Amino acid sequence: ETGVTQTPRHLVMGMTNKKSLKCEQHLGHNAMYWYKQSAKKPLELMFVYNFKEQTENNSVPSRFSPECPNSSHLFLHLHTLQPEDSALYLCASSQKTGKETQYFGPGTRLLVL
Amino acid sequence: RKEVEQDPGPFNVPEGATVAFNCTYSNSASQSFFWYRQDCRKEPKLLMSVYSSGNEDGRFTAQLNRASQYISLLIRDSKLSDSATYLCVVNINTGNQFYFGTGTSLTVIP
Repeated sequence: ETGVTQTPRHLVMGMTNKKSLKCEQHLGHNAMYWYKQSAKKPLELMFVYNFKEQTENNSVPSRFSPECPNSSHLFLHLHTLQPEDSALYLCASSQKTGKETQYFGPGTRLLVL
Repeated sequence: RKEVEQDPGPFNVPEGATVAFNCTYSNSASQSFFWYRQDCRKEPKLLMSVYSSGNEDGRFTAQLNRASQYISLLIRDSKLSDSATYLCVVNINTGNQFYFGTGTSLTVIP
């Protein structure tokens, strides 16, 4: 299944590095999401974009910076992260926001050293 | 208080058994409910939406109890391939907030 793809699949970075996560959806959806999944914790919604406009920012630290150039692509720019930011970062998309089913990408497993 | 709570398990059941999971939610304004399945080191995938009248999909039955604010998932005739973590998801619908439970771990044993 390649409806939602994410790159890279794994990333190791130092606290002073700058990196970007990429998500692309091929489903013709209009809404895209970034989630963080840490061990033993529920998925945490970070950002929501609807028709390229950010509609939710769940008090995410500024060291995470999203970018949505079009409805098919979503980026998460990372800068001066902390070790506690190590987690699985999942991208999802849905036809529109609200009650719609979300389809997830495979995730980027991030380790911050 | 957490928006969505699930018993983390693990539930270890033999093949062919029937197993049920419950999930409680705290916000009475919750509108949409889902069960997702997540295999080890994989992304969550939709298992089924949960409708007010309850719904069934093969061996899986989902129920919603608004009065008590919980949803349930029943799996009949468990297969080895059912081993996974089952995530309860609730949408408040006042915005774009989807709340996930921590998941219930199921292992079906031969």
